Amino acid sequence: DAKTTQPNSMESNEEEPVHLPCNHSTISGTDYIHWYRQLPSQGPEYVIHGLTSNVNNRMASLAIAEDRKSSTLILHRATLRDAAVYYCILQNSGNTPLVFGKGTRLSVIA
Amino acid sequence: NAGVMQNPRHLVRRRGQEARLRCSPMKGHSHVYWYRQLPEEGLKFMVYLQKENIIDESGMPKERFSAEFPKEGPSILRIQQVVRGDSAAYFCASSPLHTQETQYFGPGTRLLVL
Repeated sequence: DAKTTQPNSMESNEEEPVHLPCNHSTISGTDYIHWYRQLPSQGPEYVIHGLTSNVNNRMASLAIAEDRKSSTLILHRATLRDAAVYYCILQNSGNTPLVFGKGTRLSVIA
Repeated sequence: NAGVMQNPRHLVRRRGQEARLRCSPMKGHSHVYWYRQLPEEGLKFMVYLQKENIIDESGMPKERFSAEFPKEGPSILRIQQVVRGDSAAYFCASSPLHTQETQYFGPGTRLLVL
């Protein structure tokens, strides 16, 4: 699986939007971009995924660069419950193991 | 619709004992993955199973560790003769057969080896 690069940590004020970047310059044409997050003392939780077009769901939005070499996870209004480690993961084909990097630790300040 | 269930949630073992970790996938899911998270580290893949088959065990230590996913019942991760370095959180994930492979994780089993 191709490698992703994320900032180690980010901080946000509560109720502000948060943009979490991910670089994946060696992405292949068939790699999907997945985002998971892990809240303290819990298992990872799926957030969103996409291939080429931007995606929205109830949790977040995913903006994918036109060349697909980077993407951004957008939390529209951060809450204290969004404090977690966010992982950007590339997955080439179905039902394969996820390769977790170090992720970005998001802190939300009240 | 119950999520992925793991038990026990916490397990304490002395060095040399056996640890058995159980994972019940979500209803209708036939794929199970085990991951390990050492303290202050990221998750590492261990093994991927379908019913009665090991598909990929490339992340599994060669000795003392084994996994199964029988036709009936939960998936079991078994660690024989545990050592202190086995202390970690072990997460199980499941996915259905025919989707773009979102994995649903359980709450994990935290193993402490004394």
